[in-house]
Amino acid sequence: GDSVTQTEGPVTVSESESLIINCTYSATSIAYPNLFWYVRYPGEGLQLLLKVITAGQKGSSRGFEATYNKETTSFHLQKASVQESDSAVYYCALGEGAGNTGKLIFGLGTTLQVQP
Amino acid sequence: GGIITQTPKFLIGQEGQKLTLKCQQNFNHDTMYWYRQDSGKGLRLIYYSITENDLQKGDLSEGYDASREKKSSFSLTVTSAQKNEMAVFLCASSIRDWGYAEQFFGPGTRLTVL
Repeated sequence: GDSVTQTEGPVTVSESESLIINCTYSATSIAYPNLFWYVRYPGEGLQLLLKVITAGQKGSSRGFEATYNKETTSFHLQKASVQESDSAVYYCALGEGAGNTGKLIFGLGTTLQVQP
Repeated sequence: GGIITQTPKFLIGQEGQKLTLKCQQNFNHDTMYWYRQDSGKGLRLIYYSITENDLQKGDLSEGYDASREKKSSFSLTVTSAQKNEMAVFLCASSIRDWGYAEQFFGPGTRLTVL
């Protein structure tokens, strides 16, 4: 079936360190998957961080980057230097590309704690 | 910009009770969604609606009813609350039901069943 697996949290890093949160997906019933990273900051609602709809492309936002790798079925989230304000829960999600359902399949979420 | 409002913020019910959650959006989006999130689990789709009066079942629709009375509102009913059930219900909307469309989420309704 279709699924998303991501780094199990919590992940704790110190400010200015680099970060990678792994995300791999299985899209057996989706011909053209779209990939997303959503984030929930403390006290806020879930919001889109970045998305990539074409294999081989990279998305970026707020210093985060993720590359859609069709060969390894991965969409890892990276940041070169984290800040305390990046502390949040990050969700990788898989959506249907050419399909018209808008349905998203989410990973379990990864809690990131950035220490000052 | 726009906003999604969910009411109530907290919902406490009794076993077997029918409970209704409401969602309003002012984005003028066509498509709305209801997700359920259990502790330590990802979001799972319960129902979605492509347009007014449309309903589509998600993976977790059993035990729920939904209603899209108008474009801006989408209600979810728990038909019979299960004892000790605890979950957060998230409403979302997107401009269309395209697979690449960004979904905008509400703050959630936290359900506790005694």
